[in-house]
Amino acid sequence: GNSVTQMEGPVTLSEEAFLTINCTYTATGYPSLFWYVQYPGEGLQLLLKATKADDKGSNKGFEATYRKETTSFHLEKGSVQVSDSAVYFCALSARITNKLIFGTGTLLAVQP
Amino acid sequence: GAGVSQSPSNKVTEKGKDVELRCDPISGHTALYWYRQSLGQGLEFLIYFQGNSAPDKSGLPSDRFSAERTGGSVSTLTIQRTQQEDSAVYLCASSSTGTGNEKLFFGSGTQLSVL
Repeated sequence: GNSVTQMEGPVTLSEEAFLTINCTYTATGYPSLFWYVQYPGEGLQLLLKATKADDKGSNKGFEATYRKETTSFHLEKGSVQVSDSAVYFCALSARITNKLIFGTGTLLAVQP
Repeated sequence: GAGVSQSPSNKVTEKGKDVELRCDPISGHTALYWYRQSLGQGLEFLIYFQGNSAPDKSGLPSDRFSAERTGGSVSTLTIQRTQQEDSAVYLCASSSTGTGNEKLFFGSGTQLSVL
């Protein structure tokens, strides 16, 4: 079946460090891929998405590239800030089912 | 309203009691989803509505769980005879049409605690 695997946290970084959060997926067909973010005390919100192979989603300095050959959608940011501290969820949407399947989430803590 | 609204925000109940959780989606959104977020478990899909119909309810954990949607708008998730393992945050989300590559808008959730 369809599933998402993302690296376990917590990930602790100093401000201005480079961030990578790994995400791989298993899916039939060609899913759309997403990163959602949950800031402390807030609801989940879409960070970025990519709908086909080789697409790059980007927002707020974060990027992720849809890699079909490695079934991956790793999240990267060149220089993190304290305000990026949150839980990040990788997700896929299989085109037939219309539902999002989420990974378990990765807690990012950025220290000043 | 401007966003997805859920009520109550917190619910404490005794084991064996029934609970009802409410979701008010963004006006005009035809698709509505219920998820459950447990500590260390990520988000678990429960059920998906398209209008008032539920074409996918494969995530409902047992027959104690049911959901309905009326008027293509408000949805209610009902848990009968609650158990301690039902304790979690229940999230509702809506999207404009329910196509697979669409952005979901999430509510703030209902924190359910079963004592």
